[in-house]
Amino acid sequence: NAGVTQTPKFQVLKTGQSMTLQCAQDMNHNSMYWYRQDPGMGLRLIYYSASEGTTDKGEVPNGYNVSRLNKREFSLRLESAAPSQTSVYFCASSDLGGLTTEAFFGQGTRLTVV
Amino acid sequence: AQKITQTQPGMFVQEKEAVTLDCTYDTSDPSYGLFWYKQPSSGEMIFLIYQGSYDQQNATEGRYSLNFQKARKSANLVISASQLGDSAMYFCAMRPFSGYSTLTFGKGTMLLVSP
Repeated sequence: NAGVTQTPKFQVLKTGQSMTLQCAQDMNHNSMYWYRQDPGMGLRLIYYSASEGTTDKGEVPNGYNVSRLNKREFSLRLESAAPSQTSVYFCASSDLGGLTTEAFFGQGTRLTVV
Repeated sequence: AQKITQTQPGMFVQEKEAVTLDCTYDTSDPSYGLFWYKQPSSGEMIFLIYQGSYDQQNATEGRYSLNFQKARKSANLVISASQLGDSAMYFCAMRPFSGYSTLTFGKGTMLLVSP
């Protein structure tokens, strides 16, 4: 029972490099999200996908792109990494139709940009 | 837009005592859900408890209860009989029911439980 799986768990990038964070869920959820967590800031929404084929910006979208590849997978891409993108990234999913249900989170990706 | 405020950056409690973690929220939506998550040092986000804005009774889940005061827009988490394993970061979050909605988080409260 995997839930939400993120890869990689850790990554170090040089400034200007690109990378894609992968996320997959096996709970048949419609909605998927990418958050970043920084000390003292809580979790801030980067992008979300209400359903397969749709994506929308969250609170802090600059410097990121996303792809909802299918119902299971939602990837986050950093085209040109900057030190300000050093953070812990969380993918989450939820059942859009079940508003009372919680969001399920992946284990997180700790990204350092040097 | 929604806003969640957690005014306690850190809290200390002794084992077996009860502790209240504060959360206030601001929203113009008439109906919404409130959530608490726990993040231990290992980093994962663990769902603890949910309260709907129209629920008549405060939510409870084992040692966790949510003290919901709608008029004051507060949704405090009460942990009874604290355990060492309760030491973690705790996040309050909310999601409005109108249209498509996403979870908005507070900045968190670090709870340390001492023996």
